[in-house]
Amino acid sequence: AAGVIQSPRHLIKEKRETATLKCYPIPRHDTVYWYQQGPGQDPQFLISFYEKMQSDKGSIPDRFSAQQFSDYHSELNMSSLELGDSALYFCASSLPGQGLGNGELFFGEGSRLTVL
Amino acid sequence: AQKITQTQPGMFVQEKEAVTLDCTYDTSDPSYGLFWYKQPSSGEMIFLIYQGSYDQQNATEGRYSLNFQKARKSANLVISASQLGDSAMYFCAMREGKEGGSEKLVFGKGTKLTVNP
Repeated sequence: AAGVIQSPRHLIKEKRETATLKCYPIPRHDTVYWYQQGPGQDPQFLISFYEKMQSDKGSIPDRFSAQQFSDYHSELNMSSLELGDSALYFCASSLPGQGLGNGELFFGEGSRLTVL
Repeated sequence: AQKITQTQPGMFVQEKEAVTLDCTYDTSDPSYGLFWYKQPSSGEMIFLIYQGSYDQQNATEGRYSLNFQKARKSANLVISASQLGDSAMYFCAMREGKEGGSEKLVFGKGTKLTVNP
């Protein structure tokens, strides 16, 4: 079965550079979530999209932006990278919520960003 | 306030024994879901088990079961017959129901489980 695809899997950047992460959700999933997991930390919610519109926003820095495209894939753009941005970035997708808090979020394998 | 609390930073268990990983949660929403994920050292997030707030019975998935005590707001994960491959970080997470909105997952800090041979 198709899973959530993230690219690139690994990325090395210098401070102050820009990085773009891509996420391709499971077919027919129209909700996408981005999470950031620092070393030894729990995943922190960044931002989510439903039907190409931003649906929720978490602890996403102003230097970061994201969008969901017409084919439902999403991109997370990170500018002016800092050492503290080094983390594993997860994308997850799901079917639209039914207001019950049920339904699994399917995670991609993550993109590991290292900022030097 | 922390919505998901995992009080055990690390746990050790002997191979073939059972182990319980604790999780308590905080919500005022009547509709919510509780999830457990396993994260091995390779980093991927593996879904283990789900419990809905309206489910009458405790969820089970193979060697995994969820001890759901709604009044106490706890959702402990029980792993029976531990295997060496169970060594990993385990995250408890909650998804609150939100009509028309993002039902994001909120994670606990995690418990690192080590299975000893």
